[in-house]
Amino acid sequence: DGGITQSPKYLFRKEGQNVTLSCEQNLNHDAMYWYRQDPGQGLRLIYYSQIVNDFQKGDIAEGYSVSREKKESFPLTVTSAQKNPTAFYLCASSPPFFRESSNNEQFFGPGTRLTVL
Amino acid sequence: AQSVTQPDIHITVSEGASLELRCNYSYGATPYLFWYVQSPGQGLQLLLKYFSGDTLVQGIKGFEAEFKRSQSSFNLRKPSVHWSDAAEYFCAVGAGPNFGNEKLTFGTGTRLTIIP
Repeated sequence: DGGITQSPKYLFRKEGQNVTLSCEQNLNHDAMYWYRQDPGQGLRLIYYSQIVNDFQKGDIAEGYSVSREKKESFPLTVTSAQKNPTAFYLCASSPPFFRESSNNEQFFGPGTRLTVL
Repeated sequence: AQSVTQPDIHITVSEGASLELRCNYSYGATPYLFWYVQSPGQGLQLLLKYFSGDTLVQGIKGFEAEFKRSQSSFNLRKPSVHWSDAAEYFCAVGAGPNFGNEKLTFGTGTRLTIIP
């Protein structure tokens, strides 16, 4: 079955430590995304990548870093510079958007809940 | 820049009653519009999407949405809700039809509670 996997489901981190969240997809999608979700704030885009070895900052990139060395993988590192990292993190992927395509959508993983102790 | 407003933070309806969730967007050109649903602690699932053509869009689980350009709205409707519809619902807008631009902007969500 094709899909997006995120691991771990729950993650605990001590303040001041970096932590990396995993995101893997076997949908053969070019684009991948990381969102942060906080209660009452919806989803906010952290980083996105439209192709291997290339990525762009989203709306709230400060304190985060990413890499895109393989098409299937887009790990997110939450650094100690992120002031309020406790949140639910969602990874998504999508094929390229074409006007006439019926497949224009983002597919989401199950999420990772990060708690900083 | 594009933006999405979901004016209702929380809605409660009785099982079997009709439902309408509001979504207003801001975007200069023809938008791509989406409704996603999220169960607690889970990822998002696409309910339906609009790109062009018929302004009334049918989705999964008996949901539909109507694109009204004059009102910049894309409201989600269901004629009769089921207890399993309790979830959080997100409206999103994409900067279409830009070739290859997949960025989406999400609203803050509407939490739906169903009472027996």
